[in-house]
Amino acid sequence: GAGVSQSPRYKVAKRGQDVALRCDPISGHVSLFWYQQALGQGPEFLTYFQNEAQLDKSGLPSDRFFAERPEGSVSTLKIQRTQQEDSAVYLCASSLGTAGVYNEQFFGPGTRLTVL
Amino acid sequence: EDQVTQSPEALRLQEGESSSLNCSYTVSGLRGLFWYRQDPGKGPEFLFTLYSAGEEKEKERLKATLTKKESFLHITAPKPEDSATYLCAVQAANFGNEKLTFGTGTRLTIIP
Repeated sequence: GAGVSQSPRYKVAKRGQDVALRCDPISGHVSLFWYQQALGQGPEFLTYFQNEAQLDKSGLPSDRFFAERPEGSVSTLKIQRTQQEDSAVYLCASSLGTAGVYNEQFFGPGTRLTVL
Repeated sequence: EDQVTQSPEALRLQEGESSSLNCSYTVSGLRGLFWYRQDPGKGPEFLFTLYSAGEEKEKERLKATLTKKESFLHITAPKPEDSATYLCAVQAANFGNEKLTFGTGTRLTIIP
């Protein structure tokens, strides 16, 4: 079946612009995660949804970052007033079950954001 | 705070030369330890989950093992197509926690 998809794959923004990144999880997956990956580093957790509820947003670096999943499927990560330090690959992952069950996370290809 | 340290940062092997990658971790209570493979320009690809010390899992030329402090990814007779960055991650057993904490990865190159 189809895996996690993300769009756009590449985004170039001028400093100060707002951007929106989309994630389509695997069909039927309850949990959805956003991670940020800087060059040469491992992914770092940003936020987590269970269905439409945002249960953990402890990794969001500032109030310029906002995520939503209004119908419990597609999710959007929005970054307002982008800064150069926001340049990174943004990864989305989904997993099948509720907390503690079937908790393998499957990742999408990522969106590479470059802020000029 | 949960921490994951992977070594070495980079490893170059001749085709057929077996070796091991190390993942050391500290976590308040381990729910699971995960290994992923990441190719350039792609998202991490799930390989294994290990849940308790002593557990082992195998897939083709890869075998993952787990102790209370570290995990090893053993690569037997690797081929050039095994070249990738291998990421280790832990998931803590805290109530309500679902996030993964990743190491920085080991970049593996297999030379034909």
